[in-house]
Order: sequence, then structure tokens, then C-alpha cells
Amino acid sequence: GAVVSQHPSWVICKSGTSVKIECRSLDFQATTMFWYRQFPKQSLMLMATSNEGSKATYEQGVEKDKFLINHASLTLSTLTVTSAHPEDSSFYICSARDFSTDTQYFGPGTRLTVL
Amino acid sequence: TQLLEQSPQFLSIQEGENLTVYCNSSSVFSSLQWYRQEPGEGPVLLVTVVTGGEVKKLKRLTFQFGDARKDSSLHITAAQTGDTGLYLCAGAQGYAGKSTFGDGTTLTVKP
Repeated sequence: GAVVSQHPSWVICKSGTSVKIECRSLDFQATTMFWYRQFPKQSLMLMATSNEGSKATYEQGVEKDKFLINHASLTLSTLTVTSAHPEDSSFYICSARDFSTDTQYFGPGTRLTVL
Repeated sequence: TQLLEQSPQFLSIQEGENLTVYCNSSSVFSSLQWYRQEPGEGPVLLVTVVTGGEVKKLKRLTFQFGDARKDSSLHITAAQTGDTGLYLCAGAQGYAGKSTFGDGTTLTVKP
């Protein structure tokens, strides 16, 4: 099946610093990628839709200036958490849509811990 | 807003028992996916169903897509401890972009 990679798998940072998370589709081109946040034992919460070559579409309540998304190529989207605070600690998961199969494939997730 | 209601939210059973998870909506989906997620990992795709009434089997797992393509079920026969995890259904509506996810079913299979 299709593969989506995510890097880093975990990161610990100090409050006030910025953290960048990369999401890559390895064997298909993804014009659309998605960023989710997940709290323990809960489902996925969509944060934003990343569109290649254009601005991301953010879900209601998600601060676009805090969660910067860049989708510069058909295989790479990045999420930058700016001025991170402890409440931003969470599990962040990206996914990429393979339009040939109308299916979303997920990355392995990034565990962010802000001290 | 398209909603996908998944039930039950939590399920704890003994090894060897059967179970069914349901995914229901008032919206029609062009396809529906089932994922399984283990703690600390991303969801892994189990199956995609596309045709109304379609039934797919993956070893002990049987997936069914409703005739009207609004609902789906996942049935596990003779559950094993390795089936423990969070099961998510997701409905797609063509190539419009994002999928609608259910709230998930946390399954615990006890030895």
C-alpha cells in the first residue's frame, strides 16, 4: 500500500521555541495533505488541509499563525508549531490523499512534548 | 457538516468472542475506509469499500458497506489480543478532499 512518512517521530522542546514536522508521500503524488491532532484515546481532530501550491485551509478554532503549513511540492508538506507552549503538547498526524484510490494514508505520527 | 457516528465507543471482550462495530451517517459516501490504530502510531488502512452492499473479508475481519452507501460495519470473528486497538471509519465524498472520520471504537481483547 501507499506509504506516508513523518519526521521526526518525537520531539521535546522548550516553551517558546518553534518546531517543524515534515510529512512526505513516498510512492505517490499528493496534491492534498491533512494535518491532525490527537489526544489520548480519542479520534483524530482535523487541524488543516494542505494544498500544494496554495494556502492551507484551517478548521475552525485552529490558529493559522501558530500552526504554519507549507506544501511546496507534490510529496512534502510541513507543519511548524510556532512559539510552542505546553498546551501544544500532543500527537500530530499527517495524511496524504491518493486520488487514484480515493483513500487517505497516514503517517506514523509525531509526539510533541513542550516543556 | 457530515457526521459519521461510530458505535460502540468502547468495547472490552474476551479472546475468542465475536464483535461488530458500526459506522452510520445520513450522508452518502463515494467510499468508506476502516483504519486500525495502535497507541503511539498512525492509523493503518484495513480496507476500502466502494460499492453499495459490498462485503470484503480480511482474514477474521468482515467489512460491509450499506446498500445506500451511508453506513458500514466491521465484524471480527474469534477476536485475538492482537486485535486490540482504536478502530476508525472514514467516509470520502469523491475527490473533494478531506474525509469525515468517526469518533473511533477502542477495542480491548483480554486473554
